[in-house]
Amino acid sequence: GAGVSQSPSNKVTEKGKDVELRCDPISGHTALYWYRQSLGQGLEFLIYFQGNSAPDKSGLPSDRFSAERTGGSVSTLTIQRTQQEDSAVYLCASSWGGSRGSAEAFFGQGTRLTVV
Amino acid sequence: GDSVTQMEGPVTLSEEAFLTINCTYTATGYPSLFWYVQYPGEGLQLLLKATKADDKGSNKGFEATYRKETTSFHLEKGSVQVSDSAVYFCALSHNTDKLIFGTGTRLQVFP
Repeated sequence: GAGVSQSPSNKVTEKGKDVELRCDPISGHTALYWYRQSLGQGLEFLIYFQGNSAPDKSGLPSDRFSAERTGGSVSTLTIQRTQQEDSAVYLCASSWGGSRGSAEAFFGQGTRLTVV
Repeated sequence: GDSVTQMEGPVTLSEEAFLTINCTYTATGYPSLFWYVQYPGEGLQLLLKATKADDKGSNKGFEATYRKETTSFHLEKGSVQVSDSAVYFCALSHNTDKLIFGTGTRLQVFP
């Protein structure tokens, strides 16, 4: 597609349920990033993929959070046993990687997650 | 660790006023510096960047200069428009590493 696509755009879930958030990066982009934007907060880094591997997952807040990327393309962020503090906008970005790195990162519209 | 500090908003200006949004950073080495913008209802977009000291990034009338001596990357525009109303994020990164963002500054421009 023309840009980074995220689905769903909105998700309301009950506390304790699992959720999956999907990101389709720009075709050919090897680097993929997940961020979280909470109300009144900045953008918090979660995890970075280069191809299918994740050299930096230091931002995942707990073991309830996991992410995978298959075929060097689509990525899924999974949150297990959701808590109210997980409510936020989850943003995905992709870039060519390599020497340009995150300098040319393109962001999706985000998934707004609300845990009730 | 590395961090970015931005002035808190909202910044409220009349059309054609001069804009400055302050950004300072703490980092090891020589990171690249960025300003991203998020217009209402839209995703984050790269506004401008600078990759080494004394570089000036510019786009759409906005400018920012990489000042190593003051560890700053302040965003400026000589004459703002209503359409510039958005949230502006300062960020840094090291090569292919993650972007580290500030908390964002909301700009509101009134006619």
